[in-house]
Amino acid sequence: GQQVMQIPQYQHVQEGEDFTTYCNSSTTLSNIQWYKQRPGGHPVFLIQLVKSGEVKKQKRLTFQFGEAKKNSSLHITATQTTDVGTYFCAGQGGSEKLVFGKGTKLTVNP
Amino acid sequence: DAGVTQSPTHLIKTRGQHVTLRCSPISGHKSVSWYQQVLGQGPQFIFQYYEKEERGRGNFPDRFSARQFPNYSSELNVNALLLGDSALYLCASSLAGEKLFFGSGTQLSVL
Repeated sequence: GQQVMQIPQYQHVQEGEDFTTYCNSSTTLSNIQWYKQRPGGHPVFLIQLVKSGEVKKQKRLTFQFGEAKKNSSLHITATQTTDVGTYFCAGQGGSEKLVFGKGTKLTVNP
Repeated sequence: DAGVTQSPTHLIKTRGQHVTLRCSPISGHKSVSWYQQVLGQGPQFIFQYYEKEERGRGNFPDRFSARQFPNYSSELNVNALLLGDSALYLCASSLAGEKLFFGSGTQLSVL
């Protein structure tokens, strides 16, 4: 079945440093979504990418969808303490099922 | 507008018991999905319902079942609870299965 792998599992950065998490799917995706989960909270939708090679920006966050629609990345520029949390990618293939990666837990030292 | 609401927020059960978790989607959303999240892992897909019909089922045993009601609310039932069923159970609603809005979840502990 469809699998979504995400690396790294953990990332510790100093405030102001950049952060990137990578996501790879075992199958071609129709779309990929990114979610953020704060400690003790629930996942919150960040963005959806649909087109091959798509790049979207939200302030300091940049999301990319690979040309083959099997990989994606999230890059945060100049991290802040408010960026702390776990970032999940979730891929949707031919079915309705949205498959989540295991997430990258980001900690930011002030 | 109210978001996705789930009840109860916390639940403690013993092995072998049965549990029912409830979810009310955002008004106007016709799709409800259920996910299981074990500590330190990503949400694992259990079920998706749209317009009261099952649209997808994850790799969970038959002890897990769900249904969606005419008002689009949903229930997740788990029979014969095992210790390994301890997890955060998340409900998510969407218009038609795309961008998900999650509830705060039900934390289930099986002793």
